[in-house]
Amino acid sequence: GNSVTQMEGPVTLSEEAFLTINCTYTATGYPSLFWYVQYPGEGLQLLLKATKADDKGSNKGFEATYRKETTSFHLEKGSVQVSDSAVYFCALLIQGAQKLVFGQGTRLTINP
Amino acid sequence: ETGVTQTPRHLVMGMTNKKSLKCEQHLGHNAMYWYKQSAKKPLELMFVYNFKEQTENNSVPSRFSPECPNSSHLFLHLHTLQPEDSALYLCASSQVPGLAGKETQYFGPGTRLLVL
Repeated sequence: GNSVTQMEGPVTLSEEAFLTINCTYTATGYPSLFWYVQYPGEGLQLLLKATKADDKGSNKGFEATYRKETTSFHLEKGSVQVSDSAVYFCALLIQGAQKLVFGQGTRLTINP
Repeated sequence: ETGVTQTPRHLVMGMTNKKSLKCEQHLGHNAMYWYKQSAKKPLELMFVYNFKEQTENNSVPSRFSPECPNSSHLFLHLHTLQPEDSALYLCASSQVPGLAGKETQYFGPGTRLLVL
């Protein structure tokens, strides 16, 4: 089946630290991969996406590279800010399907 | 981001009440979705509408009744809910479901529902 596994949270970092949130997937077809972010009290916002192997998605200083050989889509940011505190969700969508498959989410807290 | 709006943002209802959640998308998309987000559980897809036709019902109890009168509006009618139905209900839309490059789903802010 199709599934997404994210690193367990919560993750707590100091401002300006380097961030990595691991995401691996299993898929029966050719997935597109997404990172969504959920700020407190809000819905999900698309952060970045990649639709094929070796694509790199980037937005707001965040990056993730679609690695087919390791079935991974790890989220990285070089220098985090307090405003990055949120829950981050990795997700996949099999091309031709309608259903986004989400990981369990990783709560990130950045301390000043 | 005001592409997908949801009302109300918060709702408290008793188990015998009937209420409706509303979602509207201003993105010109053709597909709309309802998701449920419960504490400590992954996001669950509930329903999918594609060009106003329901194309997926993810084994959702009949006390949840969706309605999609046009591609811009989606409703979720609620009746005789249970306390375990308390959750954040998220609406999303996409241009064309399952088509590479057009399948990205955009979410609304959600309705936080509490069933007493």
